Amino acid sequence: DGGITQSPKYLFRKEGQNVTLSCEQNLNHDAMYWYRQDPGQGLRLIYYSQIVNDFQKGDIAEGYSVSREKKESFPLTVTSAQKNPTAFYLCASSAHGVYSGANVLTFGAGSRLTVL
Amino acid sequence: ILNVEQSPQSLHVQEGDSTNFTCSFPSSNFYALHWYRWETAKSPEALFVMTLNGDEKKKGRISATLNTKEGYSYLYIKGSQPEDSATYLCAFNTGNQFYFGTGTSLTVIP
Repeated sequence: DGGITQSPKYLFRKEGQNVTLSCEQNLNHDAMYWYRQDPGQGLRLIYYSQIVNDFQKGDIAEGYSVSREKKESFPLTVTSAQKNPTAFYLCASSAHGVYSGANVLTFGAGSRLTVL
Repeated sequence: ILNVEQSPQSLHVQEGDSTNFTCSFPSSNFYALHWYRWETAKSPEALFVMTLNGDEKKKGRISATLNTKEGYSYLYIKGSQPEDSATYLCAFNTGNQFYFGTGTSLTVIP
């Protein structure tokens, strides 16, 4: 079945460590996104990529980095510069870029990061 | 960051009741409005995408309407069932980005 796989599901990190969250899709979608969820807030965009080797910052990109070397993969690195990294992270993809009005997002199951 | 508001924040209804939620968004820079259902421990799943003022969409007992001039969308569930229990998210697409509301958490009591 086609879909998005995020790993790990749960991750614990010590302060000062970088961690990388994996996101893989087999839907042949062009665009991929990373969102962060905090209690009482809507999903907020960290980074998105509309084609391979290209990505744009979202509203809360500080302290995060991404790469898009393959169409199927869009890993997110949470660096030590991220001041409050404990959160739930969701990866999503869409067939075309966000400019396509009827574009539907397909989501992964999420990764929960806890900084100890 | 654009403000997308959903109300109510949470809702408990009895099985068989009909219910509705609201999503409010800016009336400018409208491209599309999405509704997603997010069940606990699962991924959010798309319910509807609406692009035109006056759009009405229906899937089984769930339907949605859109008013882009005044900046709101309603989601209706007729005859709620326990399996409808989930968080319902709306997302406002400006053509550059999706902006999500905080969701409405629905619990249907058998």
